[in-house]
Amino acid sequence: GIQVEQSPPDLILQEGANSTLRCNFSDSVNNLQWFHQNPWGQLINLFYIPSGTKQNGRLSATTVATERYSLLYISSSQTTDSGVYFCAVIGGRDDKIIFGKGTRLHILP
Amino acid sequence: DSGVTQTPKHLITATGQRVTLRCSPRSGDLSVYWYQQSLDQGLQFLIQYYNGEERAKGNILERFSAQQFPDLHSELNLSSLELGDSALYFCASSVRLAGAAKGYNEQFFGPGTRLTVL
Repeated sequence: GIQVEQSPPDLILQEGANSTLRCNFSDSVNNLQWFHQNPWGQLINLFYIPSGTKQNGRLSATTVATERYSLLYISSSQTTDSGVYFCAVIGGRDDKIIFGKGTRLHILP
Repeated sequence: DSGVTQTPKHLITATGQRVTLRCSPRSGDLSVYWYQQSLDQGLQFLIQYYNGEERAKGNILERFSAQQFPDLHSELNLSSLELGDSALYFCASSVRLAGAAKGYNEQFFGPGTRLTVL
């Protein structure tokens, strides 16, 4: 099945810093989403982005489907950005939904 | 608030027992998905239902079963519980069937049910 790899696994930044999170996938995808899991466990939709670029406030995402990767940009980080960021895809030869292992982001005040 | 509701929020039970988790999708959503999140396995897809029918299966154990009712709410039944079943169980919903010609629809997640098996 399709493999999803996220990097880096952990990231510690000072408030106000910018960051780039990466998601690589091993096969063509029909769906790619980015989620933020906050410290209370809630999964929050960030982007539905099987291809192209989207922006929402301080966050933006780009998926280059032909090169099988997606990037999540966080600018001017705030402590509330802390948590785990997941990339999830559907594609390949079956309909299984595959999550990456996530990037754990910790923003220091 | 995603519009997806799950009950209960927390569940504590003993090994060997059976529990039922409930999910109500967003209004208008026909697809329901169940996921398990544990510390060692990460977020894993269990099963998907579309308009009452099972459409995709992931890493769901034989001790687990699910169904989607005519009003589109779904239940996940976990039986013969083991310590390793302790996890956060999420339900998600989307409008259309995954795999439709135009691509998949965005999934929205509920708050989860935290299951602790003692």
